[in-house]
Amino acid sequence: EDKVVQSPLSLVVHEGDTVTLNCSYEVTNFRSLLWYKQEKKAPTFLFMLTSSGIEKKSGRLSSILDKKELFSILNITATQTGDSAVYLCAVELQGAQKLVFGQGTRLTINP
Amino acid sequence: DTGVSQDPRHKITKRGQNVTFRCDPISEHNRLYWYRQTLGQGPEFLTYFQNEAQLEKSRLLSDRFSAERPKGSFSTLEIQRTEQGDSAMYLCASSALRTSVSYEQYFGPGTRLTVT
Repeated sequence: EDKVVQSPLSLVVHEGDTVTLNCSYEVTNFRSLLWYKQEKKAPTFLFMLTSSGIEKKSGRLSSILDKKELFSILNITATQTGDSAVYLCAVELQGAQKLVFGQGTRLTINP
Repeated sequence: DTGVSQDPRHKITKRGQNVTFRCDPISEHNRLYWYRQTLGQGPEFLTYFQNEAQLEKSRLLSDRFSAERPKGSFSTLEIQRTEQGDSAMYLCASSALRTSVSYEQYFGPGTRLTVT
């Protein structure tokens, strides 16, 4: 069965800290790995990763994929209270391209 | 707003009633997906369409659930004889289709269903 596991499930830090969120996967037909941010409603797209070792960056957020060890990390530097959200990792499967999601990491940034 | 839209945003219904949700994808996207999300969990795949064809259904989708995309544009998801376990957020997503390139899925705001 295709599986995506995120850790930690919950994380509370102070504004300005740097955080690393983890995502490991076991799937039969990997196509890509995606990160989404979910506040109170729909997940919003952050990154899509298809190749190992190539870092994607957007402002204070960055992510990298390791296809040999089957994991990805999402880093957020200089965190702000607006970064508080659930961060979802999903693996896209070949063929249907449907997404298999992890359970999410709830990140809380305290001022 | 040219994003994915869903209607209604909230629905409260009594057990045993039928409900129908609508999703309007981004206009040039030919793939449309339905997911269900319960509290504290990530979204779970239900079904997807490529144009008007329904190409895959999850075994989570019991025979009380049916989805359509009659003209390859908007889609509806109907739940018959609702049960309390159907209470969840129902998310719709759409993406473009290219044979050799992945395109990210964009999600709508969801329909939150509460079955009392």
